[in-house]
Amino acid sequence: QSALTQEASVSGTVGQRVTLSCIGNSNNIGSYAVAWYQQISHGAPKTVMFGNSLPSGIPDRYSASKSGTTVSLIISGLKPEDEADYYCSTWDYSLGAWVFGGGTKVTVL
Amino acid sequence: QVQLQESGPGLVKPSETLSLNCIVSGGSISGDSSTTYYWNWIRQPAGKGLEWIGRIYMSGGSTNYNPSLKSRVTLSVDTARNLFSLKLTSVTAADTAAYFCAREAFSLPGYSFDSWGQGKLVVVSS
Repeated sequence: QSALTQEASVSGTVGQRVTLSCIGNSNNIGSYAVAWYQQISHGAPKTVMFGNSLPSGIPDRYSASKSGTTVSLIISGLKPEDEADYYCSTWDYSLGAWVFGGGTKVTVL
Repeated sequence: QVQLQESGPGLVKPSETLSLNCIVSGGSISGDSSTTYYWNWIRQPAGKGLEWIGRIYMSGGSTNYNPSLKSRVTLSVDTARNLFSLKLTSVTAADTAAYFCAREAFSLPGYSFDSWGQGKLVVVSS
């Protein structure tokens, strides 16, 4: 049971917009910025979004939003190279630990 | 640009201790006057999600562990060799996973994992 809840899978066609959600609580998402990590074929994860900040080299097709204790990663203009697993993560001060969501598999149809 | 590389045995027997090192290159494990780092271990069983194991401050003076693993985990830092280490005792098949090391650093709006190793598959089997 992950501390953060994500959809197991999301799919879309090329050019479509998809939204991934990450649900937490006041101890984690409600208190700290959330990072989104992209993992392709179980390789090393890569940060694609942190808070509302786009890391260097990440296309601006990626954006984020937050409402209360839920954050969303939006991928606009979906491309084949976006097919990957995406994990949200943040610090949980009640647990005194980093927590991850269970991951969302994005499939480009 | 900092690079991290996990090293250690890929096969460990049940009830024994899993030991891994993460070698840091391209930068000091101790940071510098303007940066502070935590050094983390994260694992991923085959076909499953990421699980945080624990972290150690760059000087080695402070640690935090996943509550579910705390009784079996020890992290350490070797500043002379620019590496940090993981020891996980009394392993079982459930500890079979890819183990990643990662650097935690501050960049607005806060701390996140900004560098990762490629991962080391460790299988627990007799």
